[in-house]
Amino acid sequence: SSELTQEPAVSVALGQTVRITCRGDSLRDDYVSWYQEKPGRAPVLVLYGEDKRPSGIPDRFFGSSSGITASLTITGAQAEDEADYYCKCRDSRTRLYVFGTGTEVTVV
Amino acid sequence: QVQLVQSGAEVRKPGASVKISCRASGYTFTSYYIHWVRQAPGQGLEWVGIINPGGGSPKYAQKLQGRVTVTRDTSTNVVYMELRSLMSEDTAVYYCAREAGEGASRFFDYWGQGALISVSS
Repeated sequence: SSELTQEPAVSVALGQTVRITCRGDSLRDDYVSWYQEKPGRAPVLVLYGEDKRPSGIPDRFFGSSSGITASLTITGAQAEDEADYYCKCRDSRTRLYVFGTGTEVTVV
Repeated sequence: QVQLVQSGAEVRKPGASVKISCRASGYTFTSYYIHWVRQAPGQGLEWVGIINPGGGSPKYAQKLQGRVTVTRDTSTNVVYMELRSLMSEDTAVYYCAREAGEGASRFFDYWGQGALISVSS
């Protein structure tokens, strides 16, 4: 299957830790990348290669994976982390690209 | 600095075609694949297609196969996406994005600003 399933929505208290997951068979064969999207703005890469951060992304963003599940963890969530987050990888069979269903993160 | 600058919003009637562009600058155009990604109102990100500006055949999402064509002009560093037989469900913001990485780690490190395509009678 080429589907990548994420929690539709999660909430986190300011300064606390939140983890969102991305589950799909294709994750056995490809590293996931994670994108943050805020209203009216283009997506921004926040994690790649499972646990690498592009320059400018705060070190409170962590990535991990095990089997067919990848995770993005925000430790010490800030108000500016409130956004939609999408995972992405390539389908194992077609090698075409697929995005996860997306997770809305609310910081309360 | 790397930049992907897209053409502006378009309005079309159902059944029409549209062609939008993505101009790349700040890097060697033929060294990085370019993708198109769309987002319908209130919906998630959907992968549309990919082109290697250095050559080779583009690839497309199965649901758009036959209606979408991605091309590139290496003389102007521009990638184009044409979508035909437009339907209301094609209304979305369309992004171009540059692919970096290799092997099992491929990611989109730079994105265009997006272009809204509205399809309405």
